[in-house]
Amino acid sequence: QSALTQPASVSGSPGQSITISCTGTSSDVGNYNLVSWYQQHPGKAPKLMLYEVTKRPSGVSNRFSGSKSGNTASLTISGLQAEDEADYYCCSYAGRSPNWVFGGGTKLTVL
Amino acid sequence: EVQLEQSGAEVKKPGESLKISCKGSGYTFTNYWIGWVRQMPGKGLEWMGIIYPGDFDTRYSPSFQGQVTISADKSITTAYLQWSSLKASDTAMYYCARHPSGTWSYFDYWGQGTLVTVSS
Repeated sequence: QSALTQPASVSGSPGQSITISCTGTSSDVGNYNLVSWYQQHPGKAPKLMLYEVTKRPSGVSNRFSGSKSGNTASLTISGLQAEDEADYYCCSYAGRSPNWVFGGGTKLTVL
Repeated sequence: EVQLEQSGAEVKKPGESLKISCKGSGYTFTNYWIGWVRQMPGKGLEWMGIIYPGDFDTRYSPSFQGQVTISADKSITTAYLQWSSLKASDTAMYYCARHPSGTWSYFDYWGQGTLVTVSS
């Protein structure tokens, strides 16, 4: 199972919005509404930011939103803040025995 | 409060065996699947496998099947990841993570990670 494809890096200024894409296949992203997004600050464990494409866990800012079209999911962060600077990983359920596949990660820089 | 507490960093030589742990607390350990995720230095996340401590049902990623063993001891609410013969390429951070009740759709709580270094 190949990793999902994410841009290596994105950047934005405070207050702006950015979008991170996550492209898979019809066997994972395109076949299940089970895409989740994780934020990882340096030296820290991943933190769940979105699940089932669009849902936010309790405590996660509503500046974080998700969407999906075909084989591509997206994470949008609006009103960028300095603390949003981190690595972001998408993850999709891929069926079978079961199986999950992660994206390669995107480094978000807040300028 | 749900917590997954992992064992400390390990430094091993190639060919040695290793078992790292992940202790769950603040929830009913036997009712939730726990998975293991690898992060090699400077790289992304890779799903390795999961276990249901209630009945020890275990599933592996094809990439890790036969390379590692996942187990659990429900009497001490702890899950394990073990290697029988480490390789240098096993050097990585390993995270345990929990699936929420009744679904595999995402990982809601993560351990702090265990750094495994394999070097001669």
